[in-house]
Amino acid sequence: EAQVTQNPRYLITVTGKKLTVTCSQNMNHEYMSWYRQDPGLGLRQIYYSMNVEVTDKGDVPEGYKVSRKEKRNFPLILESPSPNQTSLYFCASRTVRVGGANVLTFGAGSRLTVL
Amino acid sequence: EDQVTQSPEALRLQEGESSSLNCSYTVSGLRGLFWYRQDPGKGPEFLFTLYSAGEEKEKERLKATLTKKESFLHITAPKPEDSATYLCAVLGGNQFYFGTGTSLTVIP
Repeated sequence: EAQVTQNPRYLITVTGKKLTVTCSQNMNHEYMSWYRQDPGLGLRQIYYSMNVEVTDKGDVPEGYKVSRKEKRNFPLILESPSPNQTSLYFCASRTVRVGGANVLTFGAGSRLTVL
Repeated sequence: EDQVTQSPEALRLQEGESSSLNCSYTVSGLRGLFWYRQDPGKGPEFLFTLYSAGEEKEKERLKATLTKKESFLHITAPKPEDSATYLCAVLGGNQFYFGTGTSLTVIP
């Protein structure tokens, strides 16, 4: 089944304790992206990657890091989490090949609480 | 400024009461307009893509249409299981721009 898999799905942590949210896709998509979703603000892009070893900032990159060492994986790293990073996080991927459908496929989400 | 605006923010309908959701956009270099359904605590699920003005797509009780500056998602004779948040997204260049969604509640 074509899918984007995120882990963990739920996480409660404390301020300053580094954490990583993993994201993996099995569709051979070039493009991967991280979003956060907050009430009233909708989906906001954190970082995106057009291909392996290529990453760019989205609208709200402060406090986050990413890496794209393999095509299928795009982990999101919070080096020193703060309470304002409490949110629902989504990883998504799509093809960028000419003629491709451009449809973003989303993971099931990771709910993060920083105390 | 590139942006996507959805209205209304929330909509309550009686079962069987048809209505429309609106998505207006000011995004240059439109490469597609996308509708997604999102259930609470879950990832957005793809519904439709529209590429050019005049295009229409249908799926069960849902029909999406596109004009030059807005899209409508028409819901005909909705059922309680259609209750969800409906998101509109526009692809401009390589960037997706999302609206904040319309929360639809269908009352039995």
